[in-house]
Amino acid sequence: AQTVTQSQPEMSVQEAETVTLSCTYDTSESDYYLFWYKQPPSRQMILVIRQEAYKQQNATENRFSVNFQKAAKSFSLKISDSQLGDAAMYFCAYRSAGGGSNYKLTFGKGTLLTVNP
Amino acid sequence: DVKVTQSSRYLVKRTGEKVFLECVQDMDHENMFWYRQDPGLGLRLIYFSYDVKMKEKGDIPEGYSVSREKKERFSLILESASTNQTSMYLCASSLSGDRPYEQYFGPGTRLTVT
Repeated sequence: AQTVTQSQPEMSVQEAETVTLSCTYDTSESDYYLFWYKQPPSRQMILVIRQEAYKQQNATENRFSVNFQKAAKSFSLKISDSQLGDAAMYFCAYRSAGGGSNYKLTFGKGTLLTVNP
Repeated sequence: DVKVTQSSRYLVKRTGEKVFLECVQDMDHENMFWYRQDPGLGLRLIYFSYDVKMKEKGDIPEGYSVSREKKERFSLILESASTNQTSMYLCASSLSGDRPYEQYFGPGTRLTVT
């Protein structure tokens, strides 16, 4: 079974600064997908960014980018120019490629990000 | 606009009661999921369904069952609620296909069992 580890239970960053959230995973598969989800306080979970394992290029979505190191099984999230609205719990998630049972996500335990004004 | 709704935001039940949590999605998604979220434990998959009337156990199915009679609706059932089932329950849905389709989440139901 796959496991996802987020080693930082809490992080803080100053507004307008850059912060990196860590995620490592354990798998014997070669094809899979990785995701970062954001859960703001008392609000719904939303997708931040996604990465396909067969793509070497790191995904980017505006101020959010990932550093995907397949050999090291590492998938960190970098938030640039942090804003107060970025304060949230961030979850890293893994999904196997393929259909059926592979649609399920395995989540890490989350990193609570605080943004200081 | 994509939407996943859950029948209650807050629910208080007594030990031993049968509890139904309802989830509805309007996106014609094939897959639906029930997660449990607890502080320090992240999200853990209880059950999921990748087609109508198809269901599969997740990581923590004990004490729970599910029903999916229609594509848009996925119900989580606590047969006999216990205090250790006090938690936040999140429903999600997604498309099928070998692509990194995102899961869309509902607002959650915070269940307290007393």
